[in-house]
Amino acid sequence: DQQVKQNSPSLSVQEGRISILNCDYTNSMFDYFLWYKKYPAEGPTFLISISSIKDKNEDGRFTVFLNKSAKHLSLHIVPSQPGDSAVYFCAASGAYGGATNKLIFGTGTLLAVQP
Amino acid sequence: DTGVSQDPRHKITKRGQNVTFRCDPISEHNRLYWYRQTLGQGPEFLTYFQNEAQLEKSRLLSDRFSAERPKGSFSTLEIQRTEQGDSAMYLCASSFYRASNTEAFFGQGTRLTVV
Repeated sequence: DQQVKQNSPSLSVQEGRISILNCDYTNSMFDYFLWYKKYPAEGPTFLISISSIKDKNEDGRFTVFLNKSAKHLSLHIVPSQPGDSAVYFCAASGAYGGATNKLIFGTGTLLAVQP
Repeated sequence: DTGVSQDPRHKITKRGQNVTFRCDPISEHNRLYWYRQTLGQGPEFLTYFQNEAQLEKSRLLSDRFSAERPKGSFSTLEIQRTEQGDSAMYLCASSFYRASNTEAFFGQGTRLTVV
């Protein structure tokens, strides 16, 4: 049972344009969402997060939008740069069953930013 | 100390051998997590500690796996009688737990290959 889904395995964008990465979740108990970026042979790097009490969080070129009614979140990168090329993972956690903060990850989206 | 450190980065072992991995978290972090990532998948939660107490274990963690965090600082993950299916990237993450959710920071991982 995949509780966090990233339905696009890959995305290709031109440098300078907007990249939009999508994520859907099924567990309504999730209340905190994160995006991680991962280069090959390295661990995931934290990018940005959002609490369920918000619908938008922005940090520089990165903005995360949360639509709780649709159980959907998205990451916008504007403008996209070649160095953004990596696998992006959506993750969720919830204060349920003891508030463990363990993360449930999606399967990732490979972003390729073309110069 | 600028991040989570994992050792070794790579390990090749023969089936049936035991292996042990080490993780040194960010020094002020009280929570330490182990995840496993296989090709094409996102990281999957294995277990976590708060200080020296192991508070949750995933059903993915068979009885061949054991994790310790003896002094609430570094942690070890041991796999006994390795199988080819254990081949994966093993990721350690740490965080500072507070009432609100917080992001976890990952190490670079240990790539295990069982031959």
